Amino acid sequence: GAVVSQHPSRVICKSGTSVKIECRSLDFQATTMFWYRQFPKKSLMLMATSNEGSKATYEQGVEKDKFLINHASLTLSTLTVTSAHPEDSSFYICSARPPGQGYNEQFFGPGTRLTVL
Amino acid sequence: RKEVEQDPGPFNVPEGATVAFNCTYSNSASQSFFWYRQDCRKEPKLLMSVYSSGNEDGRFTAQLNRASQYISLLIRDSKLSDSATYLCVVNNNAGNMLTFGGGTRLMVKP
Repeated sequence: GAVVSQHPSRVICKSGTSVKIECRSLDFQATTMFWYRQFPKKSLMLMATSNEGSKATYEQGVEKDKFLINHASLTLSTLTVTSAHPEDSSFYICSARPPGQGYNEQFFGPGTRLTVL
Repeated sequence: RKEVEQDPGPFNVPEGATVAFNCTYSNSASQSFFWYRQDCRKEPKLLMSVYSSGNEDGRFTAQLNRASQYISLLIRDSKLSDSATYLCVVNNNAGNMLTFGGGTRLMVKP
């Protein structure tokens, strides 16, 4: 199956710093990638849809100035958590679907666990 | 009402048991349906798509009832390795945005 990677897998930072998370599709090009957040014992919640070459589409309640998304190439989307606070501590997961009709599923990256002290 | 609802469990079953999970969705225009499996602190992985006619993959059987707007997953002959959280996932539009249920936790015990 298609492979999606994320980096870093884990990050611990101080309150007020910014953290960048990378999501890469390794063996396919993705015009659209998705960013999710998952709190402990909760389900994945879609934060935003990342569109290559254009602005991301944010879900209701997600601050676009706090969660900056850049989809500069067909294989890379980045999520930057600006001025992180302890309540931003969560598991951030990206996903992408290979183009064409052959794939019905989205492939998920391994996730990034963010801890803000 | 949540868009996709599941019983959070946990379902504690012995090895070899048959266990079934149900999921309901609120959007009657939903187009695609999936069951994903998520292990602790890992990303979700597709277990199987769910088709209107029902489909089976080894010990796993998925059913879709559009009239009642629910999806089911049946696991036969449970293995210890089946212990995980099972996520019911619905795709509501062609933009491939997925809506996740809260997940049902399964624990298979020796």
